Amino acid sequence: EVQLVESGGGLVQPGGSLRLSCAASGFTFSNYWMTWVRQAPGKGLEWVANIKTDGSEKYYVDSVTGRFTISRDNAKMSLFLQMNSLRAEDTAVYYCARDRWAYGSSGYYYCGLDVWGQGTTVTVSS
Amino acid sequence: EIVMTQSPATLSVSPGERATLSCRASQSVSSNLAWYQQKPGQAPRLLIYGASTRATGIPARFSGSGSGTEFTLTISSLQSEDFAVYYCQQYNEWLRTFGQGTKVEIK
Repeated sequence: EVQLVESGGGLVQPGGSLRLSCAASGFTFSNYWMTWVRQAPGKGLEWVANIKTDGSEKYYVDSVTGRFTISRDNAKMSLFLQMNSLRAEDTAVYYCARDRWAYGSSGYYYCGLDVWGQGTTVTVSS
Repeated sequence: EIVMTQSPATLSVSPGERATLSCRASQSVSSNLAWYQQKPGQAPRLLIYGASTRATGIPARFSGSGSGTEFTLTISSLQSEDFAVYYCQQYNEWLRTFGQGTKVEIK
């Protein structure tokens, strides 16, 4: 069964740090780009960051650039999000998701975030 | 950053009726648009990518259309399990952005 399981969430004070993990199973993790998406309480989805298959390319939303770092360990089939200098506005459920790409007659094309974890909750508060 | 705007914020529909959800991009995203469904307490689920291609296992009552800046998700005959929040997302740029969501509720 294809599965993503997040962990590492919790309560942290403003200015603190937290490292989220996402354990993958049931698919060849090293073949997929991976993404973090968050959702503040009662709010919509916000794309946070993604990382290429080999970790050589990483992209971030402006609000976390310089504070968050996405990384991966393909041997351990795991995705990470190191979060530093946390702010109250970072309070959210954090989801990891798999980016699906397919290959067609015109080359590779993107097919969305096709597998999601159940989320882990991060609360930034004093 | 491409801003995605969804309308309406809430759509009240009776079971069996058609629901039409709109998504507008602040600049052209070609057909690089996906739709997701989210039910309370659950992770989102991919419905549509490429603006109009249904993801694996998605019923045919879900259809997507549009290109450029204007997109539509249509649910042809609402079933009880379809009452949820729906999000569009553009992936024309590396900074992928979501719309704010449309809640489809029972009328």
